[in-house]
Amino acid sequence: EAQVTQNPRYLITVTGKKLTVTCSQNMNHEYMSWYRQDPGLGLRQIYYSMNVEVTDKGDVPEGYKVSRKEKRNFPLILESPSPNQTSLYFCASSAWIGGNDQPQHFGDGTRLSIL
Amino acid sequence: GNSVTQMEGPVTLSEEAFLTINCTYTATGYPSLFWYVQYPGEGLQLLLKATKADDKGSNKGFEATYRKETTSFHLEKGSVQVSDSAVYFCALEGGGFKTIFGAGTRLFVKA
Repeated sequence: EAQVTQNPRYLITVTGKKLTVTCSQNMNHEYMSWYRQDPGLGLRQIYYSMNVEVTDKGDVPEGYKVSRKEKRNFPLILESPSPNQTSLYFCASSAWIGGNDQPQHFGDGTRLSIL
Repeated sequence: GNSVTQMEGPVTLSEEAFLTINCTYTATGYPSLFWYVQYPGEGLQLLLKATKADDKGSNKGFEATYRKETTSFHLEKGSVQVSDSAVYFCALEGGGFKTIFGAGTRLFVKA
């Protein structure tokens, strides 16, 4: 089954304790992206990656890091989490066939609470 | 820069009512436009898309037409069901590998 898998689904942690949210896709997609969803703001893009070792900032990258060492994986790293990073996070992937018309496939989300 | 504006919700309808959720956009060039749906506890799923002016996307009874003259991509359904209750997001991909989402519109359908 084609899917995007995020882990963990839920996490409660404390300020300053480094954490990683994993994301893996089994569709051989070139493009992967991280979003955060906050009430009234919709989804805002954090980082995206066009392929292995190619990443770039989205609209809200501050406080986050990513890496793309393998095509299937795109982890999101919070080196020193703060309460304003409490949010619902989504990973997504899509094929890239030279245009901008491919839909994204989303994981089920990770709800992070930073105390 | 590019932007997407959706009508605020929540929208509450009775079963079999007509649905319209407005979406307008600002973009340079020729963006692709999408509607995604999010059911409780799940990620977003593609509902429909349109890639050029005057294209009509359709799926599961939902439709939206890419109107370049009014920069709009309104979502419509002729007869909603309780199972359509969800959050709907309008989105734009304008090149540059960035996707812009609207704030989302929550739909409640009553039996």
